[in-house]
Amino acid sequence: AQSVTQLGSHVSVSEGALVLLRCNYSSSVPPYLFWYVQYPNQGLQLLLKYTTGATLVKGINGFEAEFKKSETSFHLTKPSAHMSDAAEYFCAVSGSSASKIIFGSGTRLSIRP
Amino acid sequence: DGGITQSPKYLFRKEGQNVTLSCEQNLNHDAMYWYRQDPGQGLRLIYYSQIVNDFQKGDIAEGYSVSREKKESFPLTVTSAQKNPTAFYLCASSFKGGLSSGANVLTFGAGSRLTVL
Repeated sequence: AQSVTQLGSHVSVSEGALVLLRCNYSSSVPPYLFWYVQYPNQGLQLLLKYTTGATLVKGINGFEAEFKKSETSFHLTKPSAHMSDAAEYFCAVSGSSASKIIFGSGTRLSIRP
Repeated sequence: DGGITQSPKYLFRKEGQNVTLSCEQNLNHDAMYWYRQDPGQGLRLIYYSQIVNDFQKGDIAEGYSVSREKKESFPLTVTSAQKNPTAFYLCASSFKGGLSSGANVLTFGAGSRLTVL
């Protein structure tokens, strides 16, 4: 069984500040991990994914995430927030041949001018 | 351009009516999915299909039905048995198959917002 927990349903940071969105997972098999972003009234689009290999994964728009097996975490970071980063972010997990992808409940990111 | 088209974008339904949400993809993806999104609850899987003429229930299938007669199409019917159908519905697709199929990325449509009057 797999599950995802996103800590904090709403995160607010100042423009130019560090963005940190937390994601912890549970998986009985080696996980594949994803971060998706959703802008208002739109579908989701992929930011980045971890499958195997390098644990630090770089994605689009300057985001990156680090897979930490010992902490069962896959936190999303960006060094300097931009107003255009305001959106909802979803962490997701699946297994090697899993058909189902499990999503977290989402974190809404707000950027203060 | 390849992608997923959902229609209609907005839909209003009276209680007791069935409605069908359309999802079409031209990505040649094998697998298709329907998710329901409610505020603060993330995405919950309704149904998914890995191949034509076959589909499986997700976590919240009650009150919904689907068909997969063509690879490109995966319509969702919200029936009158669904007690609280007001929500944002997202269709997605991905490639399927292989030992690492779980690593396949989902491509999403823009969503359909259903409101029950």
